[in-house]
Amino acid sequence: SSELTQDPAVSVALGQTVRITCQGDSLRSYYASWYQQKPGQAPVLVIYGKNNRPSGIPDRFSGSSSGNTASLTITGAQAEDEADYYCNSRDSSGNLVVFGGGTKLTVL
Amino acid sequence: EVQLVESGGGLVKPGGSLRLSCAASGFTFSSYSMNWVRQAPGKGLEWVSSISSSSSYIYYADSVKGRFTISRDNAKNSLYLQMNSLRAEDTAVYYCARESTNCGGDCPFDYWGQGTLVTVSS
Repeated sequence: SSELTQDPAVSVALGQTVRITCQGDSLRSYYASWYQQKPGQAPVLVIYGKNNRPSGIPDRFSGSSSGNTASLTITGAQAEDEADYYCNSRDSSGNLVVFGGGTKLTVL
Repeated sequence: EVQLVESGGGLVKPGGSLRLSCAASGFTFSSYSMNWVRQAPGKGLEWVSSISSSSSYIYYADSVKGRFTISRDNAKNSLYLQMNSLRAEDTAVYYCARESTNCGGDCPFDYWGQGTLVTVSS
């Protein structure tokens, strides 16, 4: 199975833009999904597919992909965006699922 | 409202067994693939297993293959995970997650339960 690699930690000043990346060979074939997880809570889907947001997710969240890298961008980060963010996708076989190691976002 | 409620977690000794359940409501359970995802204390998310809507396709992570069995009962709107030969490294919060439909091979996990804690310790 393939792996997805994320930076362990990223910080952003309040109101600024931040990009969180996810790298892996399977991303050449499959889109990543992105999940936000706050302490003690279950993950919440924030971005999926080419650049789709579930109902209720603010439009400051967006997604993109190029080659083997998927990105989650938060434009105008808010204090409530401080959380762990995980990407996932299918592995290269298309049957299994892989998660990235997660990125801890700090909003300064 | 979509709801997923896990149960069955607890403390078990190494080598022991446990069966987790996930009760689904608010959607047509039989139309969706379902997954188990776990998270060890202070660690990231790890996919465990998936089962298609009619149980025709079942997959496992290498870390649990041969020890865990996923199943579902569409008549009872329930998902299960039978865990045998448990190890300390299986200690985690176990989440059930619904896989979205009509999205080709890139279906996200659009709803998650709150999780149930499994602790494997002597």
